[in-house]
Amino acid sequence: GQQVMQIPQYQHVQEGEDFTTYCNSSTTLSNIQWYKQRPGGHPVFLIQLVKSGEVKKQKRLTFQFGEAKKNSSLHITATQTTDVGTYFCAGQRNTGGFKTIFGAGTRLFVKA
Amino acid sequence: NAGVTQTPKFRVLKTGQSMTLLCAQDMNHEYMYWYRQDPGMGLRLIHYSVGEGTTAKGEVPDGYNVSRLKKQNFLLGLESAAPSQTSVYFCASSPGLGLLDEQYFGPGTRLTVT
Repeated sequence: GQQVMQIPQYQHVQEGEDFTTYCNSSTTLSNIQWYKQRPGGHPVFLIQLVKSGEVKKQKRLTFQFGEAKKNSSLHITATQTTDVGTYFCAGQRNTGGFKTIFGAGTRLFVKA
Repeated sequence: NAGVTQTPKFRVLKTGQSMTLLCAQDMNHEYMYWYRQDPGMGLRLIHYSVGEGTTAKGEVPDGYNVSRLKKQNFLLGLESAAPSQTSVYFCASSPGLGLLDEQYFGPGTRLTVT
């Protein structure tokens, strides 16, 4: 079945360092979404990418969707302690019905 | 708007007991979902609904049942709880735009089965 793999599982950074998490699908995706979950909280939608090769930015966050629409990345420039949490990608496929698969998430720790 | 709410927030069950988790949304969303979240495994879809009166199985449906009698409510039932069902359960809803849907999550229910 379809799988969405996300790496790394954990990342420890010093405040001010950059951070990247990668999402890879075994099949071509129609679109991909990214969510953030703060410790003890619930996932919150960040962004959606639809087009092949699409790049979107939200302040210090840069999201990319691969040309083949099978991978995606989230890059945070100059991390801050407020970036702490788990980042999930969620890939969607049009299989004639609803199909969304979440990656296992990357947990980001930021040391001040 | 309260968004997506879940009750209860915490629950401890003994093996074999039953319970129902309630999810409610006030955004008039068509789609609703139940996920479970376990350490290192992300979010796994249990059941979902694309409209009032309809439900469908997700990735891990065994041991759970759902009902969507009203558009705003989505109930998740555990008929005979097992320790393997210890998890954090999240409900979510989305407008029902198909592939361009953004999901709104509730605060979660932490369930422990002893």
